[in-house]
Amino acid sequence: QKEVEQNSGPLSVPEGAIASLNCTYSDRGSQSFFWYRQYSGKSPELIMSIYSNGDKEDGRFTAQLNKASQYVSLLIRDSQPSDSATYLCAVYRTYKYIFGTGTRLKVLA
Amino acid sequence: ETGVTQTPRHLVMGMTNKKSLKCEQHLGHNAMYWYKQSAKKPLELMFVYSLEERVENNSVPSRFSPECPNSSHLFLHLHTLQPEDSALYLCASSQGLVYEQYFGPGTRLTVT
Repeated sequence: QKEVEQNSGPLSVPEGAIASLNCTYSDRGSQSFFWYRQYSGKSPELIMSIYSNGDKEDGRFTAQLNKASQYVSLLIRDSQPSDSATYLCAVYRTYKYIFGTGTRLKVLA
Repeated sequence: ETGVTQTPRHLVMGMTNKKSLKCEQHLGHNAMYWYKQSAKKPLELMFVYSLEERVENNSVPSRFSPECPNSSHLFLHLHTLQPEDSALYLCASSQGLVYEQYFGPGTRLTVT
């Protein structure tokens, strides 16, 4: 079992729709959770961080954390073609940062 | 300069060469990191420095040698690399270990 798992996709959504990206993790001791966006050939760019159970909203993005079920999700409202990228889920626990392989999102105009 | 910068952006080196990658953060952070990103594989954490002390070394071969002379600068010294070491090397920084990281643009390394 991978420590951080994501569906590799691609996840295709029409422009203006909600994109839902999911991530599960295996270590219950995980403390911090992050979503990054990575365009092809570029470095990861932070979208959201979340540290406690519940929802956290920032503009069109909402991160959701459920520690009991060990999953974290990212919702992108009003998806735009510029949101087309690979979305990386990352988890931190005591000096260890574990990244998932990423979900490729395609927003169709 | 703002954010996290890395030099060089591209590097081609032979297996017998010695080279160094440089990272500088302009964010006032106290933790810095080196990652390796290979095609079709997740980001791999290589080294973690907090307050200029190395706190994690994830079983990285000794041909990679990090150096953190102060909280703003991080180096990765390379020697006797193998072709499988070709990858994108990313530097990141954060204000504290548990908090979000900010990445530099990366160095694309090719070992011939």
